Amino acid sequence: EAGVVQSPRYKIIEKKQPVAFWCNPISGHNTLYWYRQNLGQGPELLIRYENEEAVDDSQLPKDRFSAERLKGVDSTLKIQPAELGDSAVYLCASSSGGARNTGELFFGEGSRLTVL
Amino acid sequence: AQSVTQLGSHVSVSEGALVLLRCNYSSSVPPYLFWYVQYPNQGLQLLLKYTSAATLVKGINGFEAEFKKSETSFHLTKPSAHMSDAAEYFCAVWGQGGSEKLVFGKGTKLTVNP
Repeated sequence: EAGVVQSPRYKIIEKKQPVAFWCNPISGHNTLYWYRQNLGQGPELLIRYENEEAVDDSQLPKDRFSAERLKGVDSTLKIQPAELGDSAVYLCASSSGGARNTGELFFGEGSRLTVL
Repeated sequence: AQSVTQLGSHVSVSEGALVLLRCNYSSSVPPYLFWYVQYPNQGLQLLLKYTSAATLVKGINGFEAEFKKSETSFHLTKPSAHMSDAAEYFCAVWGQGGSEKLVFGKGTKLTVNP
C-alpha cells in the first residue's frame, strides 16, 4: 500500500515569491491534515479536511495561506507571498477518519521550505 | 484543551543503556496518547498509542510506555538502546470533543553513543 506522497521534498525561494505544496493521501483516507513543523519544534496543525470540506482551519494564516482539496483526494497548500518566517517543514498526514479515528495519522516525508 | 509537555529536548544514552523519554499530559477528559518517531529528513511514524485499554502499551522496535493517571504521565522506555534508535521522539495527545487533531509536544532528540 502506498503511503502519503508529498512534493516537492525541498523548495528554496526568495521572500515575496509564491510556493505550493502537493499531497496525495493514502487511498481511502477521507481525513487529511496539513501540519507545519518549525525547526526544533513539534508539528502544529494548519488545516484539517474531512473529504473536501475544511473543518478546522483556525490556525491557517488566511492572509497568505490557502489550501484546497478538490474531489476529496489530493490537496494543495499555497503560500503567497512567502515570508522569511515561513521557512519550515510542511507535513501532510491522512487518516481513516470518523469514529474509527483515534489519532493514528500517517505522515508523508514532508516538504522543506527555505525562504531567503 | 489537551496538551503535552516533554521534559528534556535532548537525551543522550550509551548503546545498550536504558532509554527513558518523559511526557506529561494535560487533559480534562480521559486522553488518547501517542508516541511518534521522526528520523532525519523523514515524516513521523507511530511508535505506540494508548486509547484507554491496558495502561502498559507495547510498540514497535522494543519501545513501551506506561499510562499513569495519578502522575499524568506517559513516559517512553526501551530497556536497551540501539544505534538505530537515534531520532526525534514526539509525544502527542488526541484532541477530542470536536477538536479531532493531534497536539504534539516539542520533541526530544535521542542520541545513542557507541
